[in-house]
Amino acid sequence: EVQLVESGGGLVQPGGSLRLSCAVSGFTVSSNYMSWVRQAPGKGLEWVSVIYSGGSTYYADSVKGRFTISRDNSQSTLYLQMNSLRAEDTAVYYCARALFRLGITQFDCWGQGTLVTVSS
Amino acid sequence: DIQMTQSPSSLSASVGDRVTITCRASQSIANYLNWYRQKPGKAPNLLIYAASSLQSGVPSRFSGSGSGTDFTLTISSLQPEDFATYYCQQSYSTLWTFGQGTKVEIK
Repeated sequence: EVQLVESGGGLVQPGGSLRLSCAVSGFTVSSNYMSWVRQAPGKGLEWVSVIYSGGSTYYADSVKGRFTISRDNSQSTLYLQMNSLRAEDTAVYYCARALFRLGITQFDCWGQGTLVTVSS
Repeated sequence: DIQMTQSPSSLSASVGDRVTITCRASQSIANYLNWYRQKPGKAPNLLIYAASSLQSGVPSRFSGSGSGTDFTLTISSLQPEDFATYYCQQSYSTLWTFGQGTKVEIK
């Protein structure tokens, strides 16, 4: 059974750091594209970052230079290191598999999300 | 970045109604377009990928069409579990983007 379980969310002060984890089971992290998507309270979905199977990474302009996506293949875990956090980073953060199929990618599996609150 | 604009932002409908949601891209994205449904408090789930392909396990009342800049999600007969928010998403560019969402409410 495919499962993605996020952890690491919580309350952090502006300017602080936090690392999110996503434990994956049922498929191989290193063979897939893995992504983070966030949703601010009462708002829509915002794509944050992706790590390709080959290791290339990409970020939304809103987090570039502050967030870093990585993975630990041996632990089947995806990470998101978030630095210089701002109030506008407050959101539920989802990890998702970005399946490559018919030449395009789509988010076919999602975790349950972890809430990050940036506030003093 | 490619901007995705959905319309309407919200709509009211009854069980059994046919519902259509549109999504427009700021530039051509061929068929690199996916649709998701999100129920309150839950993660989104994939409905349609590559503009018109039905995800495994998704009921056949959902269908998608379009290419280039204009896309449509149609629910042929609205069911109680379909009262939710729907998002389109493009994966044409390196930086992926979602539409702002369409909330389907009970009339």
